[in-house]
Amino acid sequence: EAQVTQNPRYLITVTGKKLTVTCSQNMNHEYMSWYRQDPGLGLRQIYYSMNVEVTDKGDVPEGYKVSRKEKRNFPLILESPSPNQTSLYFCASTLRGRGPYEQYFGPGTRLTVT
Amino acid sequence: QQQVKQSPQSLIVQKGGIPIINCAYENTAFDYFPWYQQFPGKGPALLIAIRPDVSEKKEGRFTISFNKSAKQFSLHIMDSQPGDSATYFCAASTYGGSQGNLIFGKGTKLSVKP
Repeated sequence: EAQVTQNPRYLITVTGKKLTVTCSQNMNHEYMSWYRQDPGLGLRQIYYSMNVEVTDKGDVPEGYKVSRKEKRNFPLILESPSPNQTSLYFCASTLRGRGPYEQYFGPGTRLTVT
Repeated sequence: QQQVKQSPQSLIVQKGGIPIINCAYENTAFDYFPWYQQFPGKGPALLIAIRPDVSEKKEGRFTISFNKSAKQFSLHIMDSQPGDSATYFCAASTYGGSQGNLIFGKGTKLSVKP
């Protein structure tokens, strides 16, 4: 089954404790991205990756890091989480090329930073 | 110029009604306009999409109307059902979506009452 998986699905942590949210896709997609969803603000892109070893900032990159060492994986790293990073996070992937192509979203990770 | 403005923020209709969600954009380079549907606890999923060379696209009970001169597009749901209750996001992209770079509206929470 074609899918984007994220782990963990729920996470409660404390300020300053480094964490990683994993994202993996099995569709051989080149493009992957991370979004955060907040009430009244919709989906805002954090980082994206056009392919392995190619990453770039989205609209709200402050406080986040990413890496793309393998095509299927795109982890999101919060090195020193703060309460304003409490949010619902989505990973997404899509093909690149002569689109348009559907962007597939993972099930989401609900993060609470206390 | 990169924004997509979506309204209303929330919408309540009776079963069988025709909810209409509107979106507006400024960037004339946008050339791909998808709508995503999100159920509680799930990631967004592509519902229907349109390119600016057509004024209307219909898939089942869902219709996109597109007004290129006004830089507006809207989603109509015919004969709405309680199962259509979800959050709907409009989005826009350049390069036909081939670069994966979607700009999302802030979302509309639709409730369809039985």
